Amino acid sequence: GENVEQHPSTLSVQEGDSAVIKCTYSDSASNYFPWYKQELGKGPQLIIDIRSNVGEKKDQRIAVTLNKTAKHFSLHITETQPEDSAVYFCAAGYGQNFVFGPGTRLSVLP
Amino acid sequence: NAGVTQTPKFQVLKTGQSMTLQCAQDMNHEYMSWYRQDPGMGLRLIHYSVGAGITDQGEVPNGYNVSRSTTEDFPLRLLSAAPSQTSVYFCASSKNSGLGGEQFFGPGTRLTVL
Repeated sequence: GENVEQHPSTLSVQEGDSAVIKCTYSDSASNYFPWYKQELGKGPQLIIDIRSNVGEKKDQRIAVTLNKTAKHFSLHITETQPEDSAVYFCAAGYGQNFVFGPGTRLSVLP
Repeated sequence: NAGVTQTPKFQVLKTGQSMTLQCAQDMNHEYMSWYRQDPGMGLRLIHYSVGAGITDQGEVPNGYNVSRSTTEDFPLRLLSAAPSQTSVYFCASSKNSGLGGEQFFGPGTRLTVL
């Protein structure tokens, strides 16, 4: 089955700097890659997603890149703000379901 | 439009007790799923359903049962609670399955089994 790895597990950046979180997946059949943000005490919320026929997607300060050949995808957050502090999960759409990475705790320091 | 709702928010059980975690969505989504979230392990799929009357097992189904009698509701039953089932449980729904479509998550149920 599918396996998703995510690095780093924790990340601290200064406000205004960029943050990058990387994920790898194992099954080339996966073709949908969402990113979720989870704030303390809440359920995960989709922030951006990308399909396997697209290499990059941007939404304001957030971007995701996908390298199908290498089976990895990354989340890029620019001009980080304190409200970006949260746990971020990547996932791979596999068959009828999703497989999630273990998460990255991002802290944006003022 | 309430989205995905879960009850209860918190629950403490003793080993061997049974209970049902409730999940409901008002978006007319066909796909619903249950995950458990444990520290450092992300979200692991317990059971899922692609429509009323259809359920299937996920990655960690042992000790849990589900049913889907209506499109709106997808309850998760713990048959005989064990300390290993202490976790945060999330229900999610989406219009499509893992082949592409935003999953909407409920607020979660924090379960402690003593």
